[in-house]
Amino acid sequence: DVVMTQSPLSLPVTLGQPASITCRSSQSLVHTDGKTHLNWYQQRPGQSPRRLIYEVSNRDSGVPDRFSGSGSGTDFTLKIDWVEAEDFAIYYCMQGTHWPRTFGQGTKVEIK
Amino acid sequence: EVQLVESGGGLVQPGGSLRLSCVASGFTFGDYWMSWVRQSPGKGLEWVGNLNQDGSVKDYAESVKGRFTISRDNVKRTLFLQMDRLNVGDTALYYCARDDRSASMRPWGQGTLVTVSS
Repeated sequence: DVVMTQSPLSLPVTLGQPASITCRSSQSLVHTDGKTHLNWYQQRPGQSPRRLIYEVSNRDSGVPDRFSGSGSGTDFTLKIDWVEAEDFAIYYCMQGTHWPRTFGQGTKVEIK
Repeated sequence: EVQLVESGGGLVQPGGSLRLSCVASGFTFGDYWMSWVRQSPGKGLEWVGNLNQDGSVKDYAESVKGRFTISRDNVKRTLFLQMDRLNVGDTALYYCARDDRSASMRPWGQGTLVTVSS
């Protein structure tokens, strides 16, 4: 299985400051269809995961534009330009290129 | 609004069985692949399996293959997960989710908790 490794696992951030999470895959996530199926999910306390980003850098509808995704091959990044109170949550990367779909361990963005 | 509502979780002894349901609304259920995903403190998020629009193609994670069966009733807009020969490692919050063309899942239901314990 493709191993997804996130860092850091805990990220203390001050409100209004930027945040960045890295996700590294054990194999390239470029699919034979030419797309890179790397997604980012946000899970707030007591809620189910909500997808923020698909195919590396495409924001889902309703996702604030302070969230952005980038990367290629095996290295990917989720950036929050400035953290708001509602952004304190756990963030997961997930790959859909290789069977089976696999998730990172999660990064907890918490108040500094 | 797209909604997925799971039910059927509970406490079951090792070796027992449980059937989960997920009722969909707000979209044409029969047009989508659907997935089950589980989340446990020890193992994090784990994709369990999925099936295609008419239920003729199914795929399972190795950890559940041969023990779990996914099915659907498009008339009742319901997805099922039949879980047999359960073990303590299957203890988790089980989510159903709609697949999309980007090989991922969106949205997810609120989850139903399965606890396997003697």
